[in-house]
Amino acid sequence: EVQLVESGGGLVKPGGSLRLSCAASGFIFSSYSVNWVRQAPGKGLEWVSSVRSSISSGTYIYYAESVKGRFIMSRDNAKNSVYLQMNSLRAEDTGVYYCARDHNSLLDYWGQGTLVTVSS
Amino acid sequence: SYELTQSPSMSVSPGQTASITCSGDKLGDRYVCWYQQKPGQSPVLVIYQDNKRPSGIPERFSGSNSGNTATLTISGTQAMDEADYYCQAWGSNVVFGGGTKLTVL
Repeated sequence: EVQLVESGGGLVKPGGSLRLSCAASGFIFSSYSVNWVRQAPGKGLEWVSSVRSSISSGTYIYYAESVKGRFIMSRDNAKNSVYLQMNSLRAEDTGVYYCARDHNSLLDYWGQGTLVTVSS
Repeated sequence: SYELTQSPSMSVSPGQTASITCSGDKLGDRYVCWYQQKPGQSPVLVIYQDNKRPSGIPERFSGSNSGNTATLTISGTQAMDEADYYCQAWGSNVVFGGGTKLTVL
């Protein structure tokens, strides 16, 4: 069974940092891209970042403009995990953060999400 | 950047057909996915590659995509289908529509 489990959310002050983790199981992790998607309270889905890997072309990481320069996504295939290091956090970064498996450009499995609250 | 537009809300009576639309420039040239999200839950993929259903998704869910508009159709809508629905396509990366809240009443 495919599973994605996020962790690391919490309350942080503006300007602070937080590191989210997403642990995957039930599939060959290294063969798939993974995305972070967030959802502000009462709002829609917003793509945040993705890590794409292939044996032929290597690993590429992409970011939404709203987080570029502040967030860093990484993956550890040995641990079947991806991470999102979030720095210089702002109130508008508040929301539930989901990791989602990317299968040929569709997000077919999602985790349960982890809540990040940026507030003084 | 590429944008997808959805109506914020719509309502449908039980047993009727709900058509939720998503518009974008030359959207028909791209594959579209649809996700269902119920309150407090993670999104669930209900349609991919315009009109394919993942295993476990009821046959009443169908999709189409042509020109500038993709449509998610729910035939014989049930109370359990009340949820937010998001379309998704690819620009330079993942792009979501703003979501449509479907009320069944």
